[in-house]
Amino acid sequence: ETGVTQSPTHLIKTRGQQVTLRCSSQSGHNTVSWYQQALGQGPQFIFQYYREEENGRGNFPPRFSGLQFPNYSSELNVNALELDDSALYLCASSPGVGSSYNSPLHFGNGTRLTVT
Amino acid sequence: AQKVTQAQTEISVVEKEDVTLDCVYETRDTTYYLFWYKQPPSGELVFLIRRNSFDEQNEISGRYSWNFQKSTSSFNFTITASQVVDSAVYFCALSEARTRGGTSYGKLTFGQGTILTVHP
Repeated sequence: ETGVTQSPTHLIKTRGQQVTLRCSSQSGHNTVSWYQQALGQGPQFIFQYYREEENGRGNFPPRFSGLQFPNYSSELNVNALELDDSALYLCASSPGVGSSYNSPLHFGNGTRLTVT
Repeated sequence: AQKVTQAQTEISVVEKEDVTLDCVYETRDTTYYLFWYKQPPSGELVFLIRRNSFDEQNEISGRYSWNFQKSTSSFNFTITASQVVDSAVYFCALSEARTRGGTSYGKLTFGQGTILTVHP
């Protein structure tokens, strides 16, 4: 059983640029959630994708957007990067939307984004 | 608003000591789930334990045990006979169901984390 994989592992971008992070969900998992974890902080919910649509969102501006593909993999896109976007971005999958609430999420190792 | 507070920023113990990590939460929901996750240096969050709001029975699973008290909104986690491999950041998280456009989704609210260092 393949777990959640994220790419790239590390990324350095300049303020104002755009970035795309990728996530492959665990086999059989159709729901993907993205979290942002600033240094020394707990992860914060960005949004969740189910059936290729965003079905839930946290307190993040519209320049944070995403996609989910028919194979359930997902992308997180961030436009007009700001210094405060520097963080570890975690992707998590679950077997279904309901289980994203009452069951443990399966997390990837994350992408470390540095904005200079 | 939902909130999770882990008052202990860092804990340092010597191997074989017992250690308890504290967690206090706030929610208006009557139904919710509580989790503890471990984050080793590799970055991924590893699930440890789960408790739903209807079940206040405390349990033991191997070296892990937890104390859930709804009256005080606390969900404390204990590692018995700690080992060096337990060194990591530990997060308490509150899971609530939300609905948008007729579809429900789960959202985790995490605490700030507790850095646990177990010395040999």
